[in-house]
Parts: sequence; structure tokens; C-alpha cells
Amino acid sequence: AQSVTQLGSHVSVSEGALVLLRCNYSSSVPPYLFWYVQYPNQGLQLLLKYTSAATLVKGINGFEAEFKKSETSFHLTKPSAHMSDAAEYFCAVSAPGGGYQKVTFGIGTKLQVIP
Amino acid sequence: NAGVMQNPRHLVRRRGQEARLRCSPMKGHSHVYWYRQLPEEGLKFMVYLQKENIIDESGMPKERFSAEFPKEGPSILRIQQVVRGDSAAYFCASSPRDPSYNEQFFGPGTRLTVL
Repeated sequence: AQSVTQLGSHVSVSEGALVLLRCNYSSSVPPYLFWYVQYPNQGLQLLLKYTSAATLVKGINGFEAEFKKSETSFHLTKPSAHMSDAAEYFCAVSAPGGGYQKVTFGIGTKLQVIP
Repeated sequence: NAGVMQNPRHLVRRRGQEARLRCSPMKGHSHVYWYRQLPEEGLKFMVYLQKENIIDESGMPKERFSAEFPKEGPSILRIQQVVRGDSAAYFCASSPRDPSYNEQFFGPGTRLTVL
């Protein structure tokens, strides 16, 4: 069984400030972890993924995330928020089962960027 | 290489009507997944299909919902006798044949509104 907990359904940051979106996971097997971004009325776009290689993962648009097994966390960060980062962000965990990757999503965190 | 395509993008139905949602996976992808996103919630897995086979439908409601992925043509998610609670965004994702592949590619979604 696997699950994802995203702490904070809404996060507000000032433009230029650090972005930190929290994600904790639970998985009975070594997981793959993902962050997706969803802009209004659009589908999900992959920001970055962890697949058991380097624990610090760099993604698109300046985002990165660090896999910490001891804390079962995969928090998403960006040093300096931009107005265009305002969107909803989903953390997801995937584990093999039944011959395919079954993905479980968190409830999402809406990021507001204040000018 | 076109991405995952879904149509229609918006669908309005009255209670009791049928809704048909279509998904064309990325070229070369033979695995299709359907997810439902209710307002203010994350994506919930519904069903996983390969060509002509339903592999995992553990997330599908027991009644009124069905899915198929025929040998030719798009995958179809069918909702019979829609009710207001079916109003949601329905996303399709696809992945390549290799079961170890860990990433799913998402379509733009179909937003179903039941009046």
C-alpha cells in the first residue's frame, strides 16, 4: 500500500521568496516519487521525478526536490518564486504492482504568488 | 509527436444522460489510465487498461461506469445515467509498454458538468 500526504492545501509566498511545498509518503516498497504541476483548466505536467538515483532531483522551471528516506519526505523547493509559478502542485508516489506502476496522488497544494 | 489527446474538453449532460469521454494515448503507448479529479480534491485512480484488456479497475464505481480500450481507436470512459456527483475533471494518462517505465503522460482532461 502507498499513500501521499501534502501538508498545506494553500501556500502563499511573495514574489522572489523561497517556495517550499511539503510532501510525505508511505510505501511498502522502494518508491518512485513525482511532482506534477497543474495550471487552471489544464492537465498535469511533470516537474520532476525521483527513481532511486540521486536523492536531490532537479526539475523544470527551477524546481528541485530532495528524497529523504529517514523522513519519508520529498519536499519541493524553488529559491525564488515567480508569478508564473502560481498553480496547483501534486505530489505522487508510484510503486510496481501487478506488472505496472500504480500512481497515488496527494490532494494538491495551491501556490499563490503575491507581487 | 502529439501528446495524449482527450475529447471533448468540456461536456455538459443532464441527469440521466450518458457521457462518453475519449482518450488517444501518445504514439507508441499501449497503457492507458483514467483518473477522476473532484472539486478541491486530488486525482483518484479509476482504471488501468491495455489494448483490449482491463487490467485494474479497482477505482471504478461499481455501477454506471465502464471503460474500454479497443484494438483500434481511442480508449473510452463511459458513464451511464449521470448524476450531479459525477461532475468532475476526468484525466487520461498513457505510458509505454514496458511495465518498469515509471512515468505517465497526462492529457488535458475532460471537464464534465452534470446539470
